[in-house]
Amino acid sequence: GAGVSQSPSNKVTEKGKDVELRCDPISGHTALYWYRQSLGQGLEFLIYFQGNSAPDKSGLPSDRFSAERTGGSVSTLTIQRTQQEDSAVYLCASSLEWTGGRGYTFGSGTRLTVV
Amino acid sequence: KQEVTQIPAALSVPEGENLVLNCSFTDSAIYNLQWFRQDPGKGLTSLLLIQSSQREQTSGRLNASLDKSSGRSTLYIAASQPGDSATYLCAVRTGNNRKLIWGLGTSLAVNP
Repeated sequence: GAGVSQSPSNKVTEKGKDVELRCDPISGHTALYWYRQSLGQGLEFLIYFQGNSAPDKSGLPSDRFSAERTGGSVSTLTIQRTQQEDSAVYLCASSLEWTGGRGYTFGSGTRLTVV
Repeated sequence: KQEVTQIPAALSVPEGENLVLNCSFTDSAIYNLQWFRQDPGKGLTSLLLIQSSQREQTSGRLNASLDKSSGRSTLYIAASQPGDSATYLCAVRTGNNRKLIWGLGTSLAVNP
């Protein structure tokens, strides 16, 4: 696609439920990143994919969080048994392995609210 | 551990002013530094990317400089316009680490 697409744009869920967030990167971008932006805090790295593998998942806050990427394209971030502290905007970005240019392209994010 | 700080946290200026946003980082061994713009309810827009070997980058009314040795970058906006109102974020990539380390941003309001 022309840009990075994320869905849903907004999600309200009850505490304890599982949620899935989707990211569709720019076609041909081999690298994909998930970040989280909580209210009043900076962006926090969650996980990075190169192709379908995740060389760096050091930012996942707990084992309730998991992510996968299939076909070197779409990625899904899953949060199990959601907690109120999971409320945040989840941002996805993609890039060529090395652009030397603009670096990263971000999607518009998914705003997750856990009530 | 790399830490990124942005000053000021908020800035309000009248239209037409030239202004400078500041970003500092604690580990000078960076791979590159990027400035982004974030509009409410929208994603991040990349403005300028400076490689570690570069001193500055320019795009239109925007100019970003990088001084690795002092751990600083500045984003200069010339002749500010109300449409420039947004939050400006600075992010650094360190070494071979793929992830970006972010500042908290500067919230800019340009008043007509």
